[in-house]
Amino acid sequence: LAKTTQPISMDSYEGQEVNITCSHNNIATNDYITWYQQFPSQGPRFIIQGYKTKVTNEVASLFIPADRKSSTLSLPRVSLSDTAVYYCLVGDFVQKDYKLSFGAGTTVTVRA
Amino acid sequence: DGGITQSPKYLFRKEGQNVTLSCEQNLNHDAMYWYRQDPGQGLRLIYYSQIVNDFQKGDIAEGYSVSREKKESFPLTVTSAQKNPTAFYLCASTSPGLAGVYEQYFGPGTRLTVT
Repeated sequence: LAKTTQPISMDSYEGQEVNITCSHNNIATNDYITWYQQFPSQGPRFIIQGYKTKVTNEVASLFIPADRKSSTLSLPRVSLSDTAVYYCLVGDFVQKDYKLSFGAGTTVTVRA
Repeated sequence: DGGITQSPKYLFRKEGQNVTLSCEQNLNHDAMYWYRQDPGQGLRLIYYSQIVNDFQKGDIAEGYSVSREKKESFPLTVTSAQKNPTAFYLCASTSPGLAGVYEQYFGPGTRLTVT
């Protein structure tokens, strides 16, 4: 199972773009990369998932370089409500290995 | 509404007692999970189940037990053997969604306090 490494914390201001990079050096061929957001005393919420290149949805973009050893979650124009913990997960769904372990996450604090 | 329910939201127990946390999902998901979260920490995987009547240990299974007799239910028992049971417990489930995206859905959590 690919281990992930993220920064412990990041600070930003309202309206700025926040980029969080996750390292997963031993990612396997069938592994997908998924990002979640968690607010205090709540369960994490799915943000975005990708396999390679770039994925974009209504809330974020996910950039994955060709070697797939890292990925970057990009949150455009953050607001105070984006203050949360963000987790990067790497998991193999193609072979149906459903073991999904979270790391420590990155605490993002958005200031006014 | 489809989703995952966990009950109760808050649970208090005396040390030495076993306690069972409930998790039910009506999403028709195959896989279910239990995670533990301590203050200021990330989620740690306790047990997971990919199919009915089958489950596997996660990263911190000692002192916990589970069962998966029905697809929609995955109860977690915190036994007296668990040294530090006080924590926030989260249940989740997953199945492939649109375009093969596997999204974990989480319940609201149960905060267990053992004194």
